[in-house]
Parts: sequence; C-alpha cells; structure tokens
Amino acid sequence: DAGITQSPRHKVTETGTPVTLRCHQTENHRYMYWYRQDPGHGLRLIHYSYGVKDTDKGEVSDGYSVSRSKTEDFLLTLESATSSQTSVYFCAITPTRGPGNTEAFFGQGTRLTVV
Amino acid sequence: AQKVTQAQTEISVVEKEDVTLDCVYETRDTTYYLFWYKQPPSGELVFLIRRNSFDEQNEISGRYSWNFQKSTSSFNFTITASQVVDSAVYFCALRENTGNQFYFGTGTSLTVIP
Repeated sequence: DAGITQSPRHKVTETGTPVTLRCHQTENHRYMYWYRQDPGHGLRLIHYSYGVKDTDKGEVSDGYSVSRSKTEDFLLTLESATSSQTSVYFCAITPTRGPGNTEAFFGQGTRLTVV
Repeated sequence: AQKVTQAQTEISVVEKEDVTLDCVYETRDTTYYLFWYKQPPSGELVFLIRRNSFDEQNEISGRYSWNFQKSTSSFNFTITASQVVDSAVYFCALRENTGNQFYFGTGTSLTVIP
C-alpha cells in the first residue's frame, strides 16, 4: 500500500472558520492531488501539485487554497468554510517516473462537515 | 463537457450473475490512460486496473475482465459470477498524456444481493 496519510480523518467545523487538511506521503512522489467526493458528482479535482511550491487549480478550486513546502506534505485550506464544502476529501499521489503512465494512489479520505 | 461518462448510476444483481459496468470517455489526445477504481462501503479507493491507449488487448484477472474499444471510446468492466463482496461503487477514470490530472466518472453503485 502506498504510504499516504490524511489528517484529520473527521472534522466538524463552523461556517466561516478556516480549516486545513493535511496529506502526508512517504513515497517521495512528485504529483499530489486533492479531490472532493460528493453524491452524483464522483470525484472532482480541487488542486494539484507537480512539485514543491508548484501547484495548479482544478475544476472546483474556488474557496480553497493549497501549499506544498515539502515533497511529502500537501495542505488544503478552506479559507472560510461554507456548508457547500461539506464533503469527503481525498488526497492522491502518483509516482515520479512519469505523469501519464501510472495510476493514482489514494489516502483514506477526510470527512468534513461544515455546520 | 464530461470527459468520462458512467451512465449507470446504480445496478443490482443477484449473486453469481454476471454484470458489466459501462464507461465511455472523451479525449483528443492520441495517448491516454484509463483506470478503474473500486470504493467499498468502508470508503477507501482501491486501484483495479490501468489500460494504456496504445494497448487494446482486453484483460482478465480472475472474475474481472475489461473490454477496451477505441472505436467506441469505451472501457467496460465485467464481473463474472458476482459475489456479495463485489458490492461497491466503481469509478472509471481518464488521464491524458498532455495533462497532469485524472478525470473521474460519477461512479456506478453495484449491489450484489445474496
């Protein structure tokens, strides 16, 4: 199993508060991703990173920011949480040997509830 | 436009029946990669298979088989003699060679009834 750890696994927060989710990998993989999973929408990309300090937006990036100061850590921040951001968040990684010829490995997910 | 379409939202079958999960994709890249993932009730996402666009051979792994047809842009997944443990949500995904991200379908929820 790929070494990916998401924290926290569960969180309940109030509307308007900032929230940071952490993804930590022990695989030294270059690419890291944050997805959210919602009923009827499957998995949608929020942001991804292709190296330290190199990040790019996905299709649902509004209201989210990310940072990657070390290869092993990719942080997702909700600047001011809203109820529409209640979701299950997954981190994923792909190996360094190439961007297009390999599968993604996923963390266990973080269930976030904004009340 | 949706790059990966899984038209079947929910499927129920009786144990030991065969079932096929459909996946249709859309891309302009000539090189791309297709994947299937399984999400059991416990919630984790489990990688099942990767298929490269330049390899159209079908693949069989135990009770699982995959049919890749570039002519119809489809990558269908068949479970033979289904079992209760196959109950899960299954996702099809696409990665284009020109990009870094994965595009997922909306998933098919499979229930196998004992």
